[in-house]
Amino acid sequence: KAGVTQTPRYLIKTRGQQVTLSCSPISGHRSVSWYQQTPGQGLQFLFEYFSETQRNKGNFPGRFSGRQFSNSRSEMNVSTLELGDSALYLCASSLGPAKNIQYFGAGTRLSVL
Amino acid sequence: TQLLEQSPQFLSIQEGENLTVYCNSSSVFSSLQWYRQEPGEGPVLLVTVVTGGEVKKLKRLTFQFGDARKDSSLHITAAQTGDTGLYLCAGSQGAQKLVFGQGTRLTINP
Repeated sequence: KAGVTQTPRYLIKTRGQQVTLSCSPISGHRSVSWYQQTPGQGLQFLFEYFSETQRNKGNFPGRFSGRQFSNSRSEMNVSTLELGDSALYLCASSLGPAKNIQYFGAGTRLSVL
Repeated sequence: TQLLEQSPQFLSIQEGENLTVYCNSSSVFSSLQWYRQEPGEGPVLLVTVVTGGEVKKLKRLTFQFGDARKDSSLHITAAQTGDTGLYLCAGSQGAQKLVFGQGTRLTINP
C-alpha cells in the first residue's frame, strides 16, 4: 500500500507570493492533517480535514487555508508569504478523526526568500 | 503553551550506551504515541500506548506510559548509530488533534 505522498518536495518562493501544497493520503484514509515544523517551534498543528470538512484548526493566521476533495486528497494554501513561513510542511493521514494513529508524508520544504 | 514537555532536548552519546527520553505533561491523555524522524523525512510511528502503566518493547526500545497517563518514557538499550534521529512524543485527548512535544534530538556517535 502506498504511503502518504506530498508534492512538491521542495519549493522556493519570494515574499508576497502564494503557494499551494498537495497531499495524497494512504488509500482508504479519510482524515488528513497538516502541520508546520520549524526548528524553533517544533511541530505545530495547522488544520484537519475529514470528509471534505475542516474539523480542527490550529492557531495560524487566515493566510493559511486548506481544503479536501472527495477522493480525500488535500491541499493547503499560504497567501502573501512571509519569511517566517519558511518551514517543513507535513501532511498526515489516518482512517478517521477518532483514529489518531497518523501516518506522515515526507513533507514539503518551503523556503521563502 | 506547550502541553507536552520532552527532555532532554538534545542528547549525544556513544554507541553501546543506554539512554532514556522523557515526555511529561500536566494533562491526561487517552493515548500517547512516539515517533522517530530522520532528516528529510516525515515522522514515523514507533508505538502507541493507551493504558496507564503500559510497557511496550520494540527490540532495544522500551516505552512506558505513566500510571496517571500524563507522562511517558522511551528507553534505548545499547544504542546504535542507526538510532540517531529526532524522537517525538504526541498525545491524544479523545477525538481532538494530536499534540506534539518539541522533540529530543538524539545523536549516537560511533
